Amino acid sequence: GAVVSQHPSWVICKSGTSVKIECRSLDFQATTMFWYRQFPKQSLMLMATSNEGSKATYEQGVEKDKFLINHASLTLSTLTVTSAHPEDSSFYICSARDLLAAFNEQFFGPGTRLTVL
Amino acid sequence: DQQVKQNSPSLSVQEGRISILNCDYTNSMFDYFLWYKKYPAEGPTFLISISSIKDKNEDGRFTVFLNKSAKHLSLHIVPSQPGDSAVYFCAASVMGVQGAQKLVFGQGTRLTINP
Repeated sequence: GAVVSQHPSWVICKSGTSVKIECRSLDFQATTMFWYRQFPKQSLMLMATSNEGSKATYEQGVEKDKFLINHASLTLSTLTVTSAHPEDSSFYICSARDLLAAFNEQFFGPGTRLTVL
Repeated sequence: DQQVKQNSPSLSVQEGRISILNCDYTNSMFDYFLWYKKYPAEGPTFLISISSIKDKNEDGRFTVFLNKSAKHLSLHIVPSQPGDSAVYFCAASVMGVQGAQKLVFGQGTRLTINP
């Protein structure tokens, strides 16, 4: 089946530093990748949609200058949390849509736990 | 504005019985509905989906029912097994900007199957 990986699986950083999270589709090509964040006991909230080779589309209320998304290839998207603060601590999950699969099917990565001290 | 709602944060069911998880939505533009299963510190895994033009879809022990007039869907698991214990998310699909379908998730329901 389609596999999506994320790296790192967890990261702890100091306030003010930047953190990069990678999302890779391992056995399929993904024209579209999505980035979500999940706070404890809450829903997954879509942050942005990224299409390969073009600028990401951010959901309302998500700062594009703080959460930089790069989708440079059909198998890799990165999310960089710039100048991270404790309130950015969350579980970040990416998903990817297979070019050849069912129209609405998204495959999710295992998530990255970010803790900002 | 919570467009997809799962009003039961938790549900406990005896092994072998039926588990029924409910989901309500408000946006009539949603055209596809999906259920995901999620374990702690892992990404969601797809379970079953249903198009808005259907009212039932069945896959093994899992059946999803859609009532468009009530804007309500439910996931039935029968018989329930201990391995089904997880958080279940209902999600609805809608066309976003750039023509990509995007998912809107409910808050999740924690299902516990008791032996």
